[in-house]
Amino acid sequence: ETGVTQSPTHLIKTRGQQVTLRCSSQSGHNTVSWYQQALGQGPQFIFQYYREEENGRGNFPPRFSGLQFPNYSSELNVNALELDDSALYLCASSYGTGGSGGYTFGSGTRLTVV
Amino acid sequence: GQNIDQPTEMTATEGAIVQINCTYQTSGFNGLFWYQQHAGEAPTFLSYNVLDGLEEKGRFSSFLSRSKGYSYLLLKELQMKDSASYLCAVMDSGGYQKVTFGIGTKLQVIP
Repeated sequence: ETGVTQSPTHLIKTRGQQVTLRCSSQSGHNTVSWYQQALGQGPQFIFQYYREEENGRGNFPPRFSGLQFPNYSSELNVNALELDDSALYLCASSYGTGGSGGYTFGSGTRLTVV
Repeated sequence: GQNIDQPTEMTATEGAIVQINCTYQTSGFNGLFWYQQHAGEAPTFLSYNVLDGLEEKGRFSSFLSRSKGYSYLLLKELQMKDSASYLCAVMDSGGYQKVTFGIGTKLQVIP
């Protein structure tokens, strides 16, 4: 079975720009969660998508938005980039809640805002 | 919401045993995860506890006490490759199962 793949792996953007990050979920998984991980911190929950609907959201402003497609792949969009948005963005997929199998994480996209 | 506390750093010797503690305060609880994360890599799933007690998986064991809001990850026969951050994470019991991560414990294994 294929794992979770994210693209691009690295990205440099200018403050004020917009960015789209992509995630292909693991085969058989229908739920995708996005996390932001700043250097030296644990991952912070951004939002979760289940069956193409946002299923929950963390403490992130509306300029963080997302989509899930019928094949369960997902996008994270960030508008009006700020310097503090520089972080590793992780996508995690699961079947339903994840439960005993946990979430499977992708390798992440390292975003640098200059 | 969730509040998760774990030590930021630990050092242990190759071949030894180390215990990484995690305490949490939660408004809802639907399980606790431990993840391993090597520098620059994605977290990888180690364990999931939803009932009290000890779960053993090879060299790694995880314990949960829901009444105390406490968990630990036990690593036996430490190897150099175990040097990594270990993330404690708690799942909400709300309408969607949000997982909240702690800051992670950076474990350094020394010869």
